[in-house]
Amino acid sequence: GDSVTQMEGPVTLSEEAFLTINCTYTATGYPSLFWYVQYPGEGLQLLLKATKADDKGSNKGFEATYRKETTSFHLEKGSVQVSDSAVYFCALSLNAGKSTFGDGTTLTVKP
Amino acid sequence: EAGVVQSPRYKIIEKKQPVAFWCNPISGHNTLYWYLQNLGQGPELLIRYENEEAVDDSQLPKDRFSAERLKGVDSTLKIQPAELGDSAVYLCASSFSGSGQETQYFGPGTRLLVL
Repeated sequence: GDSVTQMEGPVTLSEEAFLTINCTYTATGYPSLFWYVQYPGEGLQLLLKATKADDKGSNKGFEATYRKETTSFHLEKGSVQVSDSAVYFCALSLNAGKSTFGDGTTLTVKP
Repeated sequence: EAGVVQSPRYKIIEKKQPVAFWCNPISGHNTLYWYLQNLGQGPELLIRYENEEAVDDSQLPKDRFSAERLKGVDSTLKIQPAELGDSAVYLCASSFSGSGQETQYFGPGTRLLVL
């Protein structure tokens, strides 16, 4: 079946450090790929998405590129802030709205 | 624009008791999702509605879980009777269509603790 594998956390970085959270997927067909962020006590919020191969999603300084050849969608940010501390979920969605989420990666950014 | 509303935010019950969660999606969103999120894991789909029709309930444990979306707007998820293993966060999400390309908007969730 479809699956999403994320880099295990937790990840702890100093402010202004470079961030990479790895995400790989297995899917039948051509999924759309998403990164969601969950702040403490809140629901998931869409961070960025890409709907086809080689698309790059970006938002708030975060980027991820849909790599079909490596079935990956790694999340990157050049300089993290304390406010980026949250749990990040990679997800895929195929036709008919069926979504599969990874287990999440907890990021803590220290001042 | 109001987001997805869920209530209650927290619920503590004893095992074997019934419990119900309510969700009001974003206005105009015809697709509604209920997810289960265990601690340290990602959301897992329980049921998906398009308007008032349940189009995917394959992961819903139908012996104790039920859901309804009678008028195609708000929805209720019920557990009867609850078990210790049902302790989790129950998330509701909505989207404009169920094509798979669209963004899902999530509510804050209901955190259930079964004692």
